[in-house]
Amino acid sequence: GAGVSQSPSNKVTEKGKDVELRCDPISGHTALYWYRQSLGQGLEFLIYFQGNSAPDKSGLPSDRFSAERTGGSVSTLTIQRTQQEDSAVYLCASSLDGNYEQYFGPGTRLTVT
Amino acid sequence: AQSVSQHNHHVILSEAASLELGCNYSYGGTVNLFWYVQYPGQHLQLLLKYFSGDPLVKGIKGFEAEFIKSKFSFNLRKPSVQWSDTAEYFCAVRRSYGQNFVFGPGTRLSVLP
Repeated sequence: GAGVSQSPSNKVTEKGKDVELRCDPISGHTALYWYRQSLGQGLEFLIYFQGNSAPDKSGLPSDRFSAERTGGSVSTLTIQRTQQEDSAVYLCASSLDGNYEQYFGPGTRLTVT
Repeated sequence: AQSVSQHNHHVILSEAASLELGCNYSYGGTVNLFWYVQYPGQHLQLLLKYFSGDPLVKGIKGFEAEFIKSKFSFNLRKPSVQWSDTAEYFCAVRRSYGQNFVFGPGTRLSVLP
């Protein structure tokens, strides 16, 4: 079956602009996660959804970052007023529910110039 | 704060050498443990996982890991590496009652042919 998909695969934006990153989880997976992977760094947890609600937003680095999930499926991560330090690969993962392993998408590489 | 450490940033081995990658985590209580691998240009994918039971778990491609609760460790091993094992390896920990995964910084493995 189809895996986790993310779009766009690459995004170059100017400092100060807003960007939206999209994640389509595996069908039937109720849990969805966003991570950020900077060059040479591990995975930094951003936010976790169970269904449409986000019980854990503890990883969002600032109020410029927000995420939503609609219909228990697609999720959008929005970064407002992007900064150069936002440049990273943003990874999405889904899980059957919160108790199982995560399946990762290919990521969106964001470059802020 | 929760943390996961991986002992080596970059490991270089020749084919047929034995591999052990260290992973330690910082908190007690019940945990679920995972090793993920990211081959060049590919998604993160699950190598193996530990939830309960036998602390020696076997994963794909001949990898195994041993959970030693007293040492807060979950080291990854493979008796004989191949060039195709060249990748980045991430250890991840999740408290069983919570849904947040904490990833280590990753270890890059280079296997020389």
